[in-house]
Amino acid sequence: EVQLVESGGGLVQPGGSLRLSCVASGFTFADHYVDWIRQAPGKGLEWVGRNRNKANGGTTEYAASVKGRFTMTRDDSKNSVYMQMNSLKAEDTAVYYCTRTSPTGLHALEIWGHGTMVTVSS
Amino acid sequence: DIQMTQSPSSLSASVGDRVTITCRASQGIGDDLGWYQQKPGKAPKRLIYTASRLQSGVPSRFSGSASGTEFTLTISSLQPEDFATYHCLQHNTYPLTFGPGTKVDIK
Repeated sequence: EVQLVESGGGLVQPGGSLRLSCVASGFTFADHYVDWIRQAPGKGLEWVGRNRNKANGGTTEYAASVKGRFTMTRDDSKNSVYMQMNSLKAEDTAVYYCTRTSPTGLHALEIWGHGTMVTVSS
Repeated sequence: DIQMTQSPSSLSASVGDRVTITCRASQGIGDDLGWYQQKPGKAPKRLIYTASRLQSGVPSRFSGSASGTEFTLTISSLQPEDFATYHCLQHNTYPLTFGPGTKVDIK
């Protein structure tokens, strides 16, 4: 079964840090990009960033709202992508989803994980 | 950034109704448009990709079309399990952007 599972969410104080993980199974992880999407409570979906696979440079793209604070890395040996979130703000409170995207772009955000909740509050 | 406007923001419909939801992009995005269904407390699920291709396993009552920068999701005969929020996504240009969503509820 093709699956993505996020973990690492929780309650953190403003200015704090958190590291999210996304573990993939059921497909060749190294062949795909990973996009992170977030959804604040009662709000719409917001793209957070993309991590490309090594065959396409392993580079990343970020939304302006998180650039300089969030960093995505991947470990193909563990079928995992990580998102280090620093200098967290109240407006970062959201459910964070990781998604699978094909490098061709044909299958953007095709498969979604169940999400992990991040709450930034004092 | 490319802005995605979506209409209506919500609608009430009955089982068996034909439902149409529209997304407009602020500039050309080719056919780099997907439609997603989200039920409360659940992750979104992709229904349509490249504007008009049906995701495997999705019922054929769902269809997508495009005309320039206007994209349409149609549900030909609404079923009880279709009551949900629908989102469009453009993935042509960074940052990827979503429409604000359309909530479909029971009349």
